[in-house]
Amino acid sequence: GQNIDQPTEMTATEGAIVQINCTYQTSGFNGLFWYQQHAGEAPTFLSYNVLDGLEEKGRFSSFLSRSKGYSYLLLKELQMKDSASYLCAVRSTDSWGKLQFGAGTQVVVTP
Amino acid sequence: DAGVTQSPTHLIKTRGQQVTLRCSPKSGHDTVSWYQQALGQGPQFIFQYYEEEERQRGNFPDRFSGHQFPNYSSELNVNALLLGDSALYLCASSSGGLTTGELFFGEGSRLTVL
Repeated sequence: GQNIDQPTEMTATEGAIVQINCTYQTSGFNGLFWYQQHAGEAPTFLSYNVLDGLEEKGRFSSFLSRSKGYSYLLLKELQMKDSASYLCAVRSTDSWGKLQFGAGTQVVVTP
Repeated sequence: DAGVTQSPTHLIKTRGQQVTLRCSPKSGHDTVSWYQQALGQGPQFIFQYYEEEERQRGNFPDRFSGHQFPNYSSELNVNALLLGDSALYLCASSSGGLTTGELFFGEGSRLTVL
């Protein structure tokens, strides 16, 4: 099975940086995803890591360490529109693309 | 290019009733997955359809059933509704290959069971 843990809520100031950690336990790992979900809306894809290291995409970066079962999502130059829930999800090797999601981290950006 | 579309967007049912939710995948996608998202929680996998067959199923009772049509659209049926079935039901589409896992989600159907 899989167990995915991420903090429930984080607060940061506009323009600052926030790092959302995600730890996971899985019987077979085949990729880690980060999704953003604004209240009442669908999750939207942010990033995908399958190899160790950092993936950078604009203001968002995602890091993976497979040996530690650990990932983080880094949000730089925070904007008010970044206030949302951020979902960490893991795909295992025994699935057809099924994702196991964490409960999500609610990021609140303050002026 | 239309994304994933779901209907209805909101609905209210009473305990014991049955509900059908519908999903049309993103153009070019042939695989549909359904997820249930309770308030304050992450999406939970219900099942996945590919080539009109249920390919994989999560830990949900048989009250949850589905179907995929030749045009790749899909339905989720829930029988004998319980209060605990109140949630946002998300449909996600992807292509049948395993090389990428990015799911494209619809806006969801918000089900309230009274």
